[in-house]
Amino acid sequence: GENVEQHPSTLSVQEGDSAVIKCTYSDSASNYFPWYKQELGKRPQLIIDIRSNVGEKKDQRIAVTLNKTAKHFSLHITETQPEDSAVYFCAASRGGADGLTFGKGTHLIIQP
Amino acid sequence: DSGVTQTPKHLITATGQRVTLRCSPRSGDLSVYWYQQSLDQGLQFLIQYYNGEERAKGNILERFSAQQFPDLHSELNLSSLELGDSALYFCASSVSGYEIPGEQFFGPGTRLTVL
Repeated sequence: GENVEQHPSTLSVQEGDSAVIKCTYSDSASNYFPWYKQELGKRPQLIIDIRSNVGEKKDQRIAVTLNKTAKHFSLHITETQPEDSAVYFCAASRGGADGLTFGKGTHLIIQP
Repeated sequence: DSGVTQTPKHLITATGQRVTLRCSPRSGDLSVYWYQQSLDQGLQFLIQYYNGEERAKGNILERFSAQQFPDLHSELNLSSLELGDSALYFCASSVSGYEIPGEQFFGPGTRLTVL
């Protein structure tokens, strides 16, 4: 089955700096790659997603890039703010008839 | 609020017991997914139902089962509970259940504690 590796497990950045989280996946049939943000004790919330026919997607301060050949995708957050502090999960899926395989998560800490 | 509801919010029970977790998807969503989140295993996909039928299976134990009813709500049954089953159980719903993946909206979760 699919295996998703996520790095780093913890990332501390100064407020205003950029943060990058990287994931690799193993199943070349995966075609959907969402990123979720989870605050302590809360549900995961989708922040951005990308499909395999697209190389990059942006939404304000957040961007995701996908390299299908290398089977890796990354989350980029620019101009980080204190409210960006949370655990971020990448995931991969082969389609609608498939669950999400999640990475282990990255604890992002924004230092004031 | 994602529009996905889960009950109960917390559940405390003893080893060997059986519990049922309930999920109501967003209005219009036909797919329901169940996930387990624990410190050691992370977020793991358990099972998916689409319009009443089982669609995909993940790392679901044989002691666990699920179903989706005609009104599209779903129940996850956990039996012969062990200490290691203590976790946060999330339900998610999506419009899609076939080829084109859609956003999965997560419910607030049920925290299960097995003593």
